[in-house]
Amino acid sequence: DTEVTQTPKHLVMGMTNKKSLKCEQHMGHRAMYWYKQKAKKPPELMFVYSYEKLSINESVPSRFSPECPNSSLLNLHLHALQPEDSALYLCASSQDQNEKLFFGSGTQLSVL
Amino acid sequence: DQQVKQNSPSLSVQEGRISILNCDYTNSMFDYFLWYKKYPAEGPTFLISISSIKDKNEDGRFTVFLNKSAKHLSLHIVPSQPGDSAVYFCAAMSLGTASKLTFGTGTRLQVTL
Repeated sequence: DTEVTQTPKHLVMGMTNKKSLKCEQHMGHRAMYWYKQKAKKPPELMFVYSYEKLSINESVPSRFSPECPNSSLLNLHLHALQPEDSALYLCASSQDQNEKLFFGSGTQLSVL
Repeated sequence: DQQVKQNSPSLSVQEGRISILNCDYTNSMFDYFLWYKKYPAEGPTFLISISSIKDKNEDGRFTVFLNKSAKHLSLHIVPSQPGDSAVYFCAAMSLGTASKLTFGTGTRLQVTL
């Protein structure tokens, strides 16, 4: 199994909603990542978890809250988002923090 | 400050010909470089990588060349196929540090019939 699975694929939410993005991998990878990608821009790192502990937070607003329940799962909890947060949210994993990343297909998020 | 740059936003190549995608970087601490391919509304897919101890790495139709003195790398695709049409991202990192993978701005490759 060489996949990183993200759900949902698409999400539309209002600015007062609370939603969660989910990511799962069964490759035994110990590092997991959240990236945000706007149209025609490169992916931008948001968070890195290494061995289930948050190791990098790229000064992301607190309306984004990551969670790593176990080594296979990574969540991103969303609350009170703004329309400018609309983007493709990508999850990735790697064997260790300094290895090549495997990406999921992403969640296309629209905030109305 | 864009530490990894892909100066060509788009490239059009005829099927069967060579595609050459270029990437420049400014951070001399980068010692591991990767190319990712991305289709619309999908996550990037890893293509090929190269360590700074090498100047060339080959995998089938894909070859990556690294010129450390010029801080430049390139991806060659030979022969180009219509299925290669996608956005290609160059990325760089420093191994051995808890650093992040830094992506370039991407080059959209279109392979025409």
